[in-house]
Amino acid sequence: GENVEQHPSTLSVQEGDSAVIKCTYSDSASNYFPWYKQELGKRPQLIIDIRSNVGEKKDQRIAVTLNKTAKHFSLHITETQPEDSAVYFCAASTPNQGAQKLVFGQGTRLTINP
Amino acid sequence: GAVVSQHPSWVICKSGTSVKIECRSLDFQATTMFWYRQFPKQSLMLMATSNEGSKATYEQGVEKDKFLINHASLTLSTLTVTSAHPEDSSFYICSARALGGLKETQYFGPGTRLLVL
Repeated sequence: GENVEQHPSTLSVQEGDSAVIKCTYSDSASNYFPWYKQELGKRPQLIIDIRSNVGEKKDQRIAVTLNKTAKHFSLHITETQPEDSAVYFCAASTPNQGAQKLVFGQGTRLTINP
Repeated sequence: GAVVSQHPSWVICKSGTSVKIECRSLDFQATTMFWYRQFPKQSLMLMATSNEGSKATYEQGVEKDKFLINHASLTLSTLTVTSAHPEDSSFYICSARALGGLKETQYFGPGTRLLVL
């Protein structure tokens, strides 16, 4: 089955700097790659996603890139703000007889230092 | 739109008792609901996938007789933790896929924190 590896596990950056989180996946059939932000005790919130027919997607300060050949995708946050501090999870989804399951990475605890 | 609720939000129970958690899609019909478990400082691990009107599909290593899932309607799925023990203490989160929606998209509930004493 699909396996998703996420790095780094913790990341600390100065406010205003950029943050990059990287994920690799194992199943070449995976075709959907969402990123979630989770604050302590809360539900995961979708912040951006990308499908396998696209190499890059941007939404204001957040961007995601996908390299299908290398089977890795990355989250880029620019001009970081204190409210960006949270745990971020990448996930990969593979079509499999209907509803696609999400396999999550291990998570990255991002801390933005003022 | 696409709101998913869970009840209760937290529960404390004694070891050996059973606990039922409800997951509801409030403004859409959900053909498929997913149940996840998240231990402190860890990732979300899929426990099972449930489709309305059929038996749930459990992930490897998840005991189906311990974690009973019922998806009786297009807006409600329940997870019952039977004979709960302290090691079952965790954050349980459901998600739902909308009928007619993109099959990749899952809407997450707020989670239920279970503490077994």
